[in-house]
Amino acid sequence: GAGVSQTPSNKVTEKGKYVELRCDPISGHTALYWYRQSLGQGPEFLIYFQGTGAADDSGLPNDRFFAVRPEGSVSTLKIQRTERGDSAVYLCASSAEPLDEQFFGPGTRLTVL
Amino acid sequence: QKEVEQNSGPLSVPEGAIASLNCTYSDRVSQSFFWYRQYSGKSPELIMSIYSNGDKEDGRFTAQLNKASQYVSLLIRDSQPSDSATYLCAVNGGKTGTASKLTFGTGTRLQVTL
Repeated sequence: GAGVSQTPSNKVTEKGKYVELRCDPISGHTALYWYRQSLGQGPEFLIYFQGTGAADDSGLPNDRFFAVRPEGSVSTLKIQRTERGDSAVYLCASSAEPLDEQFFGPGTRLTVL
Repeated sequence: QKEVEQNSGPLSVPEGAIASLNCTYSDRVSQSFFWYRQYSGKSPELIMSIYSNGDKEDGRFTAQLNKASQYVSLLIRDSQPSDSATYLCAVNGGKTGTASKLTFGTGTRLQVTL
């Protein structure tokens, strides 16, 4: 596709449930990033993949959060036992190479009731 | 001290005027600097990148970088109502964690009035 795509665009879930958020980066981009944005704040880094491996997961808030990128393209962010504080917009970005310009997808708005 | 600081605004400028948006960063080893525009309810859109000291111009936009002062700015000439948005400053290449991750400011809300 022409840009980064993310699904679903909106996800409403109940506290304690498990959710998966998907990101499809720009074709050929080796680097993929997940960020989280709360209202009135800038995006906050979660995890960075270079190829299939997580090069930096220092931004994941706790062990309920996990992400994979098994074939070096599509990535899935997984959140277990969701909490109301997890409610935010989850943004995915990709870049051709590390340190290159990052292009964002439309985001997934997660609401935990 | 926040890693990337921006005035939250709103910054109000009349149509046709120059809008000046400022950003300071704390990590002296930061390498790359970006400006993103974000409309309400939308995701950030890259509008400018700058890597070396000085000015970089692209259409109505000019990015300015001063690494000695740890300062980066964005000028928007001939401001239009469609420029009304939040402008996010982002930095990478710092000391903490991977160099690739972006650290964002909280954004400056720009309002262009008719």
